Amino acid sequence: GIQVEQSPPDLILQEGANSTLRCNFSDSVNNLQWFHQNPWGQLINLFYIPSGTKQNGRLSATTVATERYSLLYISSSQTTDSGVYFCAHHSGNTPLVFGKGTRLSVIA
Amino acid sequence: DAGVTQSPTHLIKTRGQHVTLRCSPISGHKSVSWYQQVLGQGPQFIFQYYEKEERGRGNFPDRFSARQFPNYSSELNVNALLLGDSALYLCASSLTGGLIRYEQYFGPGTRLTVT
Repeated sequence: GIQVEQSPPDLILQEGANSTLRCNFSDSVNNLQWFHQNPWGQLINLFYIPSGTKQNGRLSATTVATERYSLLYISSSQTTDSGVYFCAHHSGNTPLVFGKGTRLSVIA
Repeated sequence: DAGVTQSPTHLIKTRGQHVTLRCSPISGHKSVSWYQQVLGQGPQFIFQYYEKEERGRGNFPDRFSARQFPNYSSELNVNALLLGDSALYLCASSLTGGLIRYEQYFGPGTRLTVT
């Protein structure tokens, strides 16, 4: 089945630092989404990005579908960015498959 | 506009009992999917419903069932609860459930504890 691998599994940043989170997937992509899960469990949509590059404030994402990876960039990190970041992938008629997430801790 | 809503927020049940979780999709969305998230893992797909029909089922036992109503809301039922069913249950809605995969939006989840 489809596999989604995220790296790194854990990341600790000083407030103000930049970071790059990576998502590798094993199959061609129809849909690639990035989520932020807050401490209460809510999955917040960050990007719907099957290909190309998008930016939203301090966050941006790039998906290179031909090479089967996606990157999430966080610039000038803030303590409120802490939480778990998931990428999830659809291919063909499959359901959304999630990676195991990157746990980000931003310290003041 | 309201997002995806789920009820209840928290639930504590005893082994062997039955539970029903509820989900209302975003207005205009016709597809609802259910996911189970255990501690430390990403969400795992359980079911997808579109236009009241099951469109996909994950690798879960028959104790898990679901349905979708004419107003597109959905229920997830779990019978004969086991300790391992303790998890966060997430509902997601999207515009359609076909091969064109639209963005999915998640509700706040129901945290189920089985004792």
